[in-house]
Amino acid sequence: DAGVTQSPTHLIKTRGQQVTLRCSPKSGHDTVSWYQQALGQGPQFIFQYYEEEERQRGNFPDRFSGHQFPNYSSELNVNALWLGDSALYLCASSLFSGTEETQYFGPGTRLLVL
Amino acid sequence: ILNVEQSPQSLHVQEGDSTNFTCSFPSSNFYALHWYRWETAKSPEALFVMTLNGDEKKKGRISATLNTKEGYSYLYIKGSQPEDSATYLCASGNTGKLIFGQGTTLQVKP
Repeated sequence: DAGVTQSPTHLIKTRGQQVTLRCSPKSGHDTVSWYQQALGQGPQFIFQYYEEEERQRGNFPDRFSGHQFPNYSSELNVNALWLGDSALYLCASSLFSGTEETQYFGPGTRLLVL
Repeated sequence: ILNVEQSPQSLHVQEGDSTNFTCSFPSSNFYALHWYRWETAKSPEALFVMTLNGDEKKKGRISATLNTKEGYSYLYIKGSQPEDSATYLCASGNTGKLIFGQGTTLQVKP
């Protein structure tokens, strides 16, 4: 049973560019959340997708957008990259149940903006 | 407390020592508390999800308690082993949105 997978593992971009990160959820899961972890901090919630719609959003600008596909996989897009967007981006999946679910994390994509 | 806070920030113990960490979170509008273990170069691993005041959960040598009225949770590791070396994260959760602390990094020396 494959867990949560993310691609790519590492990425280098320059300021102003756009980036797309990808996530495949754990088998049987229908909800995907994205987190940003800057150096020395805990992960910060970006947004969550369920039934192909953004269900919740954290305190991130509109430059951060996402998408969920019918097979539940998800993409995180960041436009007009800043140096401060350099971070580890984590994807987590869960099965929506109406109660608090365990979220299963992928290994992350490390983004460096130069 | 407005944010999720963890202490200590780092901890170095000898193999066989027992240790514990603290997670403090806002007690108002509490919904759930999550604990994760995160080893270097791996994915964060879910340890516990706790929702009820007084909850105690155990997984092998690791256990956790929850006090929702005062807004804290303790994570205990009994007889630490080198393989327990990792960063331990707690997060206050509400229908999928997790607010993480900055983590406690544990180093267990053989």
